Amino acid sequence: DTGVSQDPRHKITKRGQNVTFRCDPISEHNRLYWYRQTLGQGPEFLTYFQNEAQLEKSRLLSDRFSAERPKGSFSTLEIQRTEQGDSAMYLCASSLGTGFYEQYFGPGTRLTVT
Amino acid sequence: KNEVEQSPQNLTAQEGEFITINCSYSVGISALHWLQQHPGGGIVSLFMLSSGKKKHGRLIATINIQEKHSSLHITASHPRDSAVYICAPASGGSYIPTFGRGTSLIVHP
Repeated sequence: DTGVSQDPRHKITKRGQNVTFRCDPISEHNRLYWYRQTLGQGPEFLTYFQNEAQLEKSRLLSDRFSAERPKGSFSTLEIQRTEQGDSAMYLCASSLGTGFYEQYFGPGTRLTVT
Repeated sequence: KNEVEQSPQNLTAQEGEFITINCSYSVGISALHWLQQHPGGGIVSLFMLSSGKKKHGRLIATINIQEKHSSLHITASHPRDSAVYICAPASGGSYIPTFGRGTSLIVHP
């Protein structure tokens, strides 16, 4: 499968715990995006990378959220001290090039905070 | 901030009907994405366009940059078209999209 993959697909955690999600983009894609989607809403942009550089992170929801893409390949999104309001679908997408190229989405990680 | 409005929010059709979904946005953009999301979350890109019209199979997307409006048309709708359709305009050099809330389409046989 040469599409975007995300791991895990589902995560249930208790409030206060830290969670980390992984995204593996399409191999030749140098842009990688993270989004959050809550029920009944469209996706909401969180951050994006151009290769290993994080070019926009001001829309991360709080300082509990952080993302990395250390070698310009896979990326991780970490949420520290999770809250019930963090329950959502976290989506990753990748695209080729520096302009507005078509984005390819992964299946998402559904987070439930109890 | 780009305000994105989609209409209608919900749409029910009979198989074979012609479907139109509209998207309006408030800020001038560089390009716009139409996406399809099936139950369970998977998102598929349908079109990316910056002017004019694009066609793929039974799907047609149009955009009017001056009027800040785009439409997605489905000809000869089929139950497998049942999904949520989301428009996502992007502006500026960063091409960060703003997503609409989506239009939920159900096509009955």
